[in-house]
Parts: sequence; structure tokens; C-alpha cells
Amino acid sequence: AQKVTQAQTEISVVEKEDVTLDCVYETRDTTYYLFWYKQPPSGELVFLIRRNSFDEQNEISGRYSWNFQKSTSSFNFTITASQVVDSAVYFCALSEFTGGGNKLTFGTGTQLKVEL
Amino acid sequence: DTGVSQDPRHKITKRGQNVTFRCDPISEHNRLYWYRQTLGQGPEFLTYFQNEAQLEKSRLLSDRFSAERPKGSFSTLEIQRTEQGDSAMYLCASRRTSGGGELFFGEGSRLTVL
Repeated sequence: AQKVTQAQTEISVVEKEDVTLDCVYETRDTTYYLFWYKQPPSGELVFLIRRNSFDEQNEISGRYSWNFQKSTSSFNFTITASQVVDSAVYFCALSEFTGGGNKLTFGTGTQLKVEL
Repeated sequence: DTGVSQDPRHKITKRGQNVTFRCDPISEHNRLYWYRQTLGQGPEFLTYFQNEAQLEKSRLLSDRFSAERPKGSFSTLEIQRTEQGDSAMYLCASRRTSGGGELFFGEGSRLTVL
């Protein structure tokens, strides 16, 4: 069975601070996808990134960066120089690479609050 | 490019009533998914369709729940004899069969059962 753990329930930072959101996953599959989604107060889940399990290269997109470490089954998300608009709930998710309908298994989310 | 659309956005009903939610996926997305999200939790998978075929249902989907996608386009999720425990956000998502696996979600339909 697949499982995603986001141990940080809530994080509060002051604007311009860097913040890292942790994600640890469990799966028996040798190939899989990992995702991060953002859920602002409006409720819509916004796709941020997908990572294939065979690609451990870290990725940077503007102020966002992701650190994938297969050895520790972690896929952490860092926001550099946080802004108030980053305030949202962030979900890490996992899916099979093939088969299983690519349905996503989500963690419980981390509520990020960025204050002035 | 129109996103995933869900209707209604909010529904308040009394226990025992039936409710129906509609989802219009992104056009040409042949896979459609329903998820349920309760307060403080991540979305939980309910069911998914490939075109009009319902290929998998979660054990969370009791007999009171039924989903359809009759022409492989929009989908409906009906809950019969609602219970207070059904109060949640019902999320719809879609994607192409090919591609990277990410789902594109709608804004959800929030159900409150009194």
C-alpha cells in the first residue's frame, strides 16, 4: 500500500524567510510519480510539480525548489524568500507509474502561513 | 483552455435527502476522478473513469454513492440518504491517459449535511 506522511501540520514564517515542507513516502513500487499541490483558501488544488522516481535530479522553479532523495524516501519542497501569497495548504502526493489508474495518494497537508 | 468545472460549489441539505454533484472535465481528458476531502485531511480517492467506463471504486464509496459518466464527458456523483458523515468537499479531477500523471482539479463541491 502507498502512504504519504507530512509530519508538519502547520508552519508560520515571516515574509522573506525560507521554508521547507517535508514529505516522506512509502511504496512497494519501483517506479512511481511524486507530486506537490497547493491549495489556497479558494479550495482548488493547483499542480506544482511532478517527479519520476527514476529522475533524482533536484529541480528549481523561481522561488520554488524540490529535493528528491530516493534513499530516504523523501521529496521535500523549499520556498525561498516566502511571500504572503504563498500562504496555503501544501500537499505531497504519490501515484503508481503505470497501472492503478494513476490515482494519487495524498498526505494530510502542511498549512503554511506567511506573515508580514 | 477551460479548467475542470464543478457544480454546485456549495450544497446544504438535511439528513436523509439525496444530492447530486456534476463535474465537467477539461475537454479531451478521457480520465475523470472523484475525491473526497474532509477538514484537515488530504483528498481521498473515491472512483475514476476512463471515458464512460468506471474502472475502480474505493471502499470509501458506500452503496449510497453512485457515479456515472454516461457519454464519457461530464460526470455526476449522487449521494442517497445523506448522513452527517458525508459532509465534506467533493473534488473532481481529470487528465489524459497519456502524459505525466498529474491530475487537474476543479474547485470542489462542498456538502454540508444538517
